[in-house]
Amino acid sequence: GAGVSQTPSNKVTEKGKYVELRCDPISGHTALYWYRQSLGQGPEFLIYFQGTGAADDSGLPNDRFFAVRPEGSVSTLKIQRTERGDSAVYLCASSLSPGSTEAFFGQGTRLTVV
Amino acid sequence: DQQVKQNSPSLSVQEGRISILNCDYTNSMFDYFLWYKKYPAEGPTFLISISSIKDKNEDGRFTVFLNKSAKHLSLHIVPSQPGDSAVYFCAASDGQGAQKLVFGQGTRLTINP
Repeated sequence: GAGVSQTPSNKVTEKGKYVELRCDPISGHTALYWYRQSLGQGPEFLIYFQGTGAADDSGLPNDRFFAVRPEGSVSTLKIQRTERGDSAVYLCASSLSPGSTEAFFGQGTRLTVV
Repeated sequence: DQQVKQNSPSLSVQEGRISILNCDYTNSMFDYFLWYKKYPAEGPTFLISISSIKDKNEDGRFTVFLNKSAKHLSLHIVPSQPGDSAVYFCAASDGQGAQKLVFGQGTRLTINP
């Protein structure tokens, strides 16, 4: 596609449920990033993939969060046992390569945990 | 601790005038800086960047200035246009290009006709 695509745009879930957020990066981009943006804050780094492997997952807040990119393209961010504090906009970005000087962001998935 | 800070949550500027958005950082390892612009319900879009080997980078109406000794950068928009109304984020990275960006809290810029 022309840009980074994230689905769904909005997700409302009950506390304790499991959710999956999907990211389709720009075709040919090998690097993929997940960020989380809470209200009134800037995006915070969660995890970065180079190809299929997670090169840096130091931003994942705890073991309820997990992300995969099995074929080096689409990525899924998975959150288990959701908590109200997980409510945020989850942003995905991709870049041509790890050393690229520009990352392109998707529109984000707004997750609301009630 | 907030490694990248944008101390002005909002800024209002008259159309045609200069908009100046400021950003401070604390991590001396940061060597690449970017500005992103964000409209409601959209993802951030890249605007302009600067490497620490430079102190100025210009692209059309947008100029970014970097003062390494003060750990301060600023984005100048001149002349400001109504379409520039958005939230602007400053971001920094430490030698890894656009990987693992550290963002400021953002400044909401409003351009008044």
